Amino acid sequence: NAGVTQTPKFQVLKTGQSMTLQCAQDMNHEYMSWYRQDPGMGLRLIHYSVGAGITDQGEVPNGYNVSRSTTEDFPLRLLSAAPSQTSVYFCASSYSGGNSPLHFGNGTRLTVT
Amino acid sequence: SQKIEQNSEALNIQEGKTATLTCNYTNYSPAYLQWYRQDPGRGPVFLLLIRENEKEKRKERLKVTFDTTLKQSLFHITASQPADSATYLCALDSSGGYQKVTFGTGTKLQVIP
Repeated sequence: NAGVTQTPKFQVLKTGQSMTLQCAQDMNHEYMSWYRQDPGMGLRLIHYSVGAGITDQGEVPNGYNVSRSTTEDFPLRLLSAAPSQTSVYFCASSYSGGNSPLHFGNGTRLTVT
Repeated sequence: SQKIEQNSEALNIQEGKTATLTCNYTNYSPAYLQWYRQDPGRGPVFLLLIRENEKEKRKERLKVTFDTTLKQSLFHITASQPADSATYLCALDSSGGYQKVTFGTGTKLQVIP
């Protein structure tokens, strides 16, 4: 099993560019989420989804869009990148959210110049 | 305001001793709390989940306690080894069952040979 796969591993964007961070899981998990991790701030929840077609905002949703058209995929879109979005992004999935273990991908390191 | 607090300072401990990490939370009433390990450049890896009606949970050299009155969880690693050196994160459902999982900032543990 591949688990949670994130692509790309590294990305450099210029301010104002758009891009999509990909996340796919092969465990048939209903729950998926996106976090960003910054030094001293820990993991902060951006958006999450409790199933296909259902998404909700986390702690820091501004500047990010998500959709969940399939159980397997949960892409994160940056519509107009800003330097404040420089961070490491982690995707996670679980069987049913907070009462079951989260499985994380290995992250995408994004730099916005 | 809601907070999940972990000791942000690194914890240095001699090999063979018991490491104890603390997770305190305010203005939450979580039904369960989770602990993760994160190594540099990697996503967090799930270790243990403890429910509000469980006072203690063990897995090999790991032990977690959960005191809902004190609003605190303690994470113990007995007979610590250099390979236990990592950052340890606690997490809880911050939405009262709506599966919004929020993390503490983590504590970096260094086990000295």
